[in-house]
Amino acid sequence: QQQVRQSPQSLTVWEGETAILNCSYENSAFDYFPWYQQFPGEGPALLISILSVSNKKEDGRFTIFFNKREKKLSLHIADSQPGDSATYFCAASAGGNNRIFFGDGTQLVVKP
Amino acid sequence: DAGVTQTPRHEVAEKGQTIILKCEPVSGHNDLFWYRQTKIQGLELLSYFRSKSLMEDGGAFKDRFKAEMLNSSFSTLKIQPTEPKDSAVYLCASTGDKYEQYFGPGTRLTVL
Repeated sequence: QQQVRQSPQSLTVWEGETAILNCSYENSAFDYFPWYQQFPGEGPALLISILSVSNKKEDGRFTIFFNKREKKLSLHIADSQPGDSATYFCAASAGGNNRIFFGDGTQLVVKP
Repeated sequence: DAGVTQTPRHEVAEKGQTIILKCEPVSGHNDLFWYRQTKIQGLELLSYFRSKSLMEDGGAFKDRFKAEMLNSSFSTLKIQPTEPKDSAVYLCASTGDKYEQYFGPGTRLTVL
């Protein structure tokens, strides 16, 4: 059973637009939600994360919006740049456990 | 500090061969993860170690996949015997105290 779901599978935006990547989860015990960014030929790397006690987390051009009631979150990438082209994974874990459940990823392409 | 190291970066094997992939986690990290990544299945957990103890292994991978932590700074993943469907990128990650998983660059395995 897929615990974390992402949509869309792929997304293309123009440079300067805001890219919106969606994520939903099943397990109410999840309380930590990291987003990982992966470039071709590299392993994923932590981009930004949020705890379930918050509904928003910003880090530069990257913002997570979190809705606990609906078990949904989204990653907004403002002023998208071609260098943001990568695969983005939404993930979740529970109760301080380092075991993380990953979604299938969204492949983002930013066209100049 | 050095990141997670994985060797080799590329491996080509004939069907039926035994291959061993290696991983050195970030120094001082207690948790180590092995994942398999494919376009179709995404990131699949193979094994999870905490302080060298096996915490979880992916049920579907038990028969031909064996991960070991020989000491706190070295882990191996053995696939025996290999099958063409094992062709994938194998990622190793480690975690310290603060949830973030640090990934290695991966080993790309091709089984002919």
